[in-house]
Amino acid sequence: DADVTQTPRNRITKTGKRIMLECSQTKGHDRMYWYRQDPGLGLRLIYYSFDVKDINKGEISDGYSVSRQAQAKFSLSLESAIPNQTALYFCATSGGQTNTEAFFGQGTRLTVV
Amino acid sequence: AQTVTQSQPEMSVQEAETVTLSCTYDTSESDYYLFWYKQPPSRQMILVIRQEAYKQQNATENRFSVNFQKAAKSFSLKISDSQLGDAAMYFCAYRSALYNNNDMRFGAGTRLTVKP
Repeated sequence: DADVTQTPRNRITKTGKRIMLECSQTKGHDRMYWYRQDPGLGLRLIYYSFDVKDINKGEISDGYSVSRQAQAKFSLSLESAIPNQTALYFCATSGGQTNTEAFFGQGTRLTVV
Repeated sequence: AQTVTQSQPEMSVQEAETVTLSCTYDTSESDYYLFWYKQPPSRQMILVIRQEAYKQQNATENRFSVNFQKAAKSFSLKISDSQLGDAAMYFCAYRSALYNNNDMRFGAGTRLTVKP
């Protein structure tokens, strides 16, 4: 099983719908992140969490919200999806040591029509 | 805020040849970490190599090596003896060593094509 699991892997939704992307990890890491990938822009940080009681906005948090339900679970919600939120979304985790890399899920391809 | 720039949207290399992917970054910090990630068509983000800024020695991992120039804020990836499986998107990433500011910042990526 993957260390970082995202569900769903692909999703098509309509404009205005609420959608939740889920992420769970078995690495025991405290830090979890949500990134968005767009062609030509790389990965941009949406939200991050250093522990269950700590939630922080990233560089592109508008239109998104998150919930850290447990150390192992971090979900991303789009309250009212719009077409320019069509993108590839990644969840990632990292340990507390600053020299460690981030470990990524396999991504969720979201299309808003 | 730190920024990472990859100036080559696409690169191409012949199988068995060597290719170098460029990355520059902007930071006022002295302690940080740099990474190269590979993203094949499967979408999985795979760590290729890591460099600590306090180390002068360039990191190497088998056929992959970096040229880290701290003063120039440059971090290029060299792939030797290129293989078909090296074809992918490659992302350069920066991570601060500050405990409360160490989310990872990515460049826009370079798409590498390997020709047989």
